[in-house]
Amino acid sequence: RKEVEQDPGPFNVPEGATVAFNCTYSNSASQSFFWYRQDCRKEPKLLMSVYSSGNEDGRFTAQLNRASQYISLLIRDSKLSDSATYLCVVNRVGNTPLVFGKGTRLSVIA
Amino acid sequence: EAGVAQSPRYKIIEKRQSVAFWCNPISGHATLYWYQQILGQGPKLLIQFQNNGVVDDSQLPKDRFSAERLKGVDSTLKIQPAKLEDSAVYLCASSLVSGSVSYNEQFFGPGTRLTVL
Repeated sequence: RKEVEQDPGPFNVPEGATVAFNCTYSNSASQSFFWYRQDCRKEPKLLMSVYSSGNEDGRFTAQLNRASQYISLLIRDSKLSDSATYLCVVNRVGNTPLVFGKGTRLSVIA
Repeated sequence: EAGVAQSPRYKIIEKRQSVAFWCNPISGHATLYWYQQILGQGPKLLIQFQNNGVVDDSQLPKDRFSAERLKGVDSTLKIQPAKLEDSAVYLCASSLVSGSVSYNEQFFGPGTRLTVL
């Protein structure tokens, strides 16, 4: 079993739609959780950290359920510019390497 | 602030040839990582340095891959000899503080896209 598993995608949605990505992780020692965004042929960039209390940044909402080892990302009112691959990422402690899921590709269509 | 620099951006070689990639992290970042990203996959760690010492190289195929960070700043990653399955993007990342229990954001360079024919 992979340490981080994501919806396989791709997700093709119309502009304005709400889309949700799910992710599970297997290592209960994981301490930090993130969503990264990766545009085509670009490097991954941090989109947002994920906290147990849930956090929101504009149209983006991230949730963490430690008991279920489950992470989610909700994008409301999708824009064309949201088209990218979204990577679920966990980190065990401090400056240990990031462990990435395979990513879920999102295409927002006009 | 300058980001993580990598070169070359693209490289095409034939199998069994050698290749080297270079990374210059963000100034002051003690920790440097090399990740391999195969098409359709998430990045996977190859090696982590703290200053000029290796912290984790458990996933580095040491029969053909090597990396160094001699002065604790720039790093090079070498593949010798290359195989077809080494075709991937090689990403370098750096972060501030090593040995800290709290997370420090990793910043990624643009990557080197390697094609092995």
